[in-house]
Amino acid sequence: AQSVSQHNHHVILSEAASLELGCNYSYGGTVNLFWYVQYPGQHLQLLLKYFSGDPLVKGIKGFEAEFIKSTFSFNLRKPSVQWSDTAEYFCAVNRGTYKYIFGTGTRLKVLA
Amino acid sequence: NAGVTQTPKFRILKIGQSMTLQCTQDMNHNYMYWYRQDPGMGLKLIYYSVGAGITDKGEVPNGYNVSRSTTEDFPLRLELAAPSQTSVYFCASSYSGVSSTDTQYFGPGTRLTVL
Repeated sequence: AQSVSQHNHHVILSEAASLELGCNYSYGGTVNLFWYVQYPGQHLQLLLKYFSGDPLVKGIKGFEAEFIKSTFSFNLRKPSVQWSDTAEYFCAVNRGTYKYIFGTGTRLKVLA
Repeated sequence: NAGVTQTPKFRILKIGQSMTLQCTQDMNHNYMYWYRQDPGMGLKLIYYSVGAGITDKGEVPNGYNVSRSTTEDFPLRLELAAPSQTSVYFCASSYSGVSSTDTQYFGPGTRLTVL
């Protein structure tokens, strides 16, 4: 079955540590890729997205993600996390249609 | 713009009761979606709509119904609530759904508990 996998379900980091969250998808062909963030008590917000072009995508709040077609991955990175980055992060894919497939999410806790 | 709004924020239902979750967007978006979010399961698409009068099933439509009489509103109906429908429900909208410049905007969610 077609799916989106986020391997890290819970991540705990200290402030200033570097972050990398994994996302793999199982679709062949052209895909559009997204990372969403859900801060505690808030709704999902778009962090960044990739449709085409430069595989290194920069988003809001210092986040970036790299699309690697050969490994079907779209990993999220941030060089130095802050306490305010504590949130749940979701990877999502669509194949040029309006149907988005979401991963199961990664809960990030940043210790002050 | 208020964006995507949902009511109620919280609700407790008894088994067998019915209710409607309201969703409204003021961005003139054509596409609207209903998702449920269960712990450790991510978001699952329940129903979606590509315009007024047009709706279709997503991954997990059983036990739900929708209608889209206007561009702005996309209510989700639970007819006979079951404990398996305990979840957080998110409504979302997007302009076209397929454009490279398109983005889904989410509402704040409705936390539903069925006892």
